[in-house]
Amino acid sequence: DAGVTQSPTHLIKTRGQQVTLRCSPKSGHDTVSWYQQALGQGPQFIFQYYEEEERQRGNFPDRFSGHQFPNYSSELNVNALLLGDSALYLCASSLNSYEQYFGPGTRLTVT
Amino acid sequence: AQTVTQSQPEMSVQEAETVTLSCTYDTSESDYYLFWYKQPPSRQMILVIRQEAYKQQNATENRFSVNFQKAAKSFSLKISDSQLGDAAMYFCAYRSAPSGTYKYIFGTGTRLKVLA
Repeated sequence: DAGVTQSPTHLIKTRGQQVTLRCSPKSGHDTVSWYQQALGQGPQFIFQYYEEEERQRGNFPDRFSGHQFPNYSSELNVNALLLGDSALYLCASSLNSYEQYFGPGTRLTVT
Repeated sequence: AQTVTQSQPEMSVQEAETVTLSCTYDTSESDYYLFWYKQPPSRQMILVIRQEAYKQQNATENRFSVNFQKAAKSFSLKISDSQLGDAAMYFCAYRSAPSGTYKYIFGTGTRLKVLA
């Protein structure tokens, strides 16, 4: 049984560019949440997707957007990248939002 | 708004000994969930243990147990018989129970070092 998978593992982008990160949930899960984890910090909630709609959003600007597909996989898009967007981006999946299972993350570096 | 505080940036424990990691939280809610997650250098967050606020009994998972003090808003993690593989960042997390509130709130983490 495959767990949560994320791609790519690492990514380097330049300020002002746009990036798309991908997540496939654990088998049987229908909900995907995205978190940003800055170096030395705990994960910060970005948003959650359920039934292809954004269900809840954290304190992140509109530059951060997402999508969930009919197979429950999800994308996180970040536009107009800033140096401060450099972080580990974690995807977590769950069934009914209770117990979240995390993926290995995508390390984004903005130069 | 809810907050989670982990006041110990780093802890060390001798192999086979016991260590306790502290976590306090602030909330006005009566129903919620609390979690401890482990994040090894491989980066993948792994659920260690969870506690439902309505349960008075402290959760236990093998060598891991919690001391849940609801009135004091304290949720500490005890690791018994520490092993080298326990070395990691440990995060305490809070989630509201009522439907409509889905986000997890994490503390800043405690780095646990296990000494051979």
